[in-house]
Amino acid sequence: QQQVKQSPQSLIVQKGGIPIINCAYENTAFDYFPWYQQFPGKGPALLIAIRPDVSEKKEGRFTISFNKSAKQFSLHIMDSQPGDSATYFCAASSGRYGGSQGNLIFGKGTKLSVKP
Amino acid sequence: DSGVTQTPKHLITATGQRVTLRCSPRSGDLSVYWYQQSLDQGLQFLIQYYNGEERAKGNILERFSAQQFPDLHSELNLSSLELGDSALYFCASSVETRNTGELFFGEGSRLTVL
Repeated sequence: QQQVKQSPQSLIVQKGGIPIINCAYENTAFDYFPWYQQFPGKGPALLIAIRPDVSEKKEGRFTISFNKSAKQFSLHIMDSQPGDSATYFCAASSGRYGGSQGNLIFGKGTKLSVKP
Repeated sequence: DSGVTQTPKHLITATGQRVTLRCSPRSGDLSVYWYQQSLDQGLQFLIQYYNGEERAKGNILERFSAQQFPDLHSELNLSSLELGDSALYFCASSVETRNTGELFFGEGSRLTVL
């Protein structure tokens, strides 16, 4: 299965809150799980990524939690700010079969709005 | 600025027509990828080229084709356009190094088919 299922579709939080976005996958060959952030009128940009050999990765206020047995991963944004308002995409890919390492399969995105 | 340049930014055309979208990758990147973004389908991978050769194919329609030229820029050709082809088309590039994974996206070309 090539799908990556992302939820929720949209999310509204107050400034300082901790939005959590969840993703699930089926393909056990996936070995790279990035999150991309997209602002209106811009292309997606890599935010943070994780590989399945660790269960958590933090970069600043952004944390990925990874549960290999459940085939799920999530993005947490600590102390969220209005400037974090954007669409967030989870994705997955597999380098195992060579060639198409960039064949990222994206979730459908979560539109986050952080209210002042 | 990702360093990936896409033209045109906006394009309006009619059903049945053909358009060409152009992408210049980041300096030094050999791989180019095309993605289609629509409201209901999210980001869909279309096709990847590496140093002029097709590397991987995704959900690309037969009416669509792409190529990568010796100077590494790429073009996505969309023909016999239908209303449903209206979408944002993104180009991305990367250094084809095993398992680095990061793609650098351009700002997209918004296609409207009337």
